[in-house]
Amino acid sequence: DAGITQSPRHKVTETGTPVTLRCHQTENHRYMYWYRQDPGHGLRLIHYSYGVKDTDKGEVSDGYSVSRSKTEDFLLTLESATSSQTSVYFCAISESGRTGELFFGEGSRLTVL
Amino acid sequence: GENVEQHPSTLSVQEGDSAVIKCTYSDSASNYFPWYKQELGKGPQLIIDIRSNVGEKKDQRIAVTLNKTAKHFSLHITETQPEDSAVYFCAASTGNQFYFGTGTSLTVIP
Repeated sequence: DAGITQSPRHKVTETGTPVTLRCHQTENHRYMYWYRQDPGHGLRLIHYSYGVKDTDKGEVSDGYSVSRSKTEDFLLTLESATSSQTSVYFCAISESGRTGELFFGEGSRLTVL
Repeated sequence: GENVEQHPSTLSVQEGDSAVIKCTYSDSASNYFPWYKQELGKGPQLIIDIRSNVGEKKDQRIAVTLNKTAKHFSLHITETQPEDSAVYFCAASTGNQFYFGTGTSLTVIP
């Protein structure tokens, strides 16, 4: 299994509070992604990174920010969580970007009350 | 952006029968089409993929076909087994992103 660790795995928070999810990889892959998974919507890309300090938006980036200061860590921040951000969040990594395999983490389940 | 549609959303088959899941895409620039399997409580895992210069690819009981003209691709699982029960996602890659279908929940009945 690819070395990807997401933390926390489960979190319950209240509306308006900030939340940070962490993705840590030991594979030295260049590309890192944050997806959210919701019933009826499949997996939707929030943000991705193609190198240290190089990030770009995905299709559902509103309300989220990311940072990547080291190759191995990719942080997803919800500045002020809303109930619509209740979801399961998956981090993924890839060596070759959109032409190669994505390796997914185990997911982080976030509930915003 | 790309729009990937996946059907059916749920599929039940008897053990030993075949299962077929179909996806369509909208962006003719998409050139890589992976399929992922997600077991309960886990992240998706790649099971097979196909590139736009290939029409069909097979790996044991799993095959994928691609029709670029019609912009659709399909996953075929033969001789299904209970361990094939999972959610399956198709995806299309264009620009710098992967676009996923909404998933098919496959149940194989022993």
